[in-house]
Amino acid sequence: DAGITQSPRYKITETGRQVTLMCHQTWSHSYMFWYRQDLGHGLRLIYYSAAADITDKGEVPDGYVVSRSKTENFPLTLESATRSQTSVYFCASTQGEGVGYTFGSGTRLTVV
Amino acid sequence: GDSVTQMEGPVTLSEEAFLTINCTYTATGYPSLFWYVQYPGEGLQLLLKATKADDKGSNKGFEATYRKETTSFHLEKGSVQVSDSAVYFCALEGGATNKLIFGTGTLLAVQP
Repeated sequence: DAGITQSPRYKITETGRQVTLMCHQTWSHSYMFWYRQDLGHGLRLIYYSAAADITDKGEVPDGYVVSRSKTENFPLTLESATRSQTSVYFCASTQGEGVGYTFGSGTRLTVV
Repeated sequence: GDSVTQMEGPVTLSEEAFLTINCTYTATGYPSLFWYVQYPGEGLQLLLKATKADDKGSNKGFEATYRKETTSFHLEKGSVQVSDSAVYFCALEGGATNKLIFGTGTLLAVQP
């Protein structure tokens, strides 16, 4: 099916563990983004990518790592999870300026 | 830097009431402007957009006009329904990287 898919939908992990959130899109959009959504903060940009092998930091990148070896995939890794990283994470993609983003359904991550 | 300010919620209305959610922005240049909607437990969906001054975006009875002179993009609907209950996000897209900057969101609750 065409679209943008995030996995897992829900994840509980322990403090200090590494966890990877997956994002896959089927349109070959150039641009992909990771946001976190927290009450009172709206959506904040973690990392973005303009193309395969091109990534850059957003507003809140500390504690996160991304890679983009293929256009369609943009995984987000928490190297050593902390409770402050408990959040809902959204992946998004767009083909270009003025088009708007398409968002995935989100991953709700709880760090205990 | 670029920013978006939208009215605090929650906004509670009766069915068939008129809706206005205010959004103002600060940006260099001429950003594209968007409204996104998020239903409970889901990702964000693009509701409408405007890419230049005086453009009016519209969808599903919602409208917003890009006002450069007042740096505003207020969302309006003439008659809300219970099914419109959701969180609404105003956003701007600026710069060469197509990054979206979001407001903090406004929760709309429509009562029958």
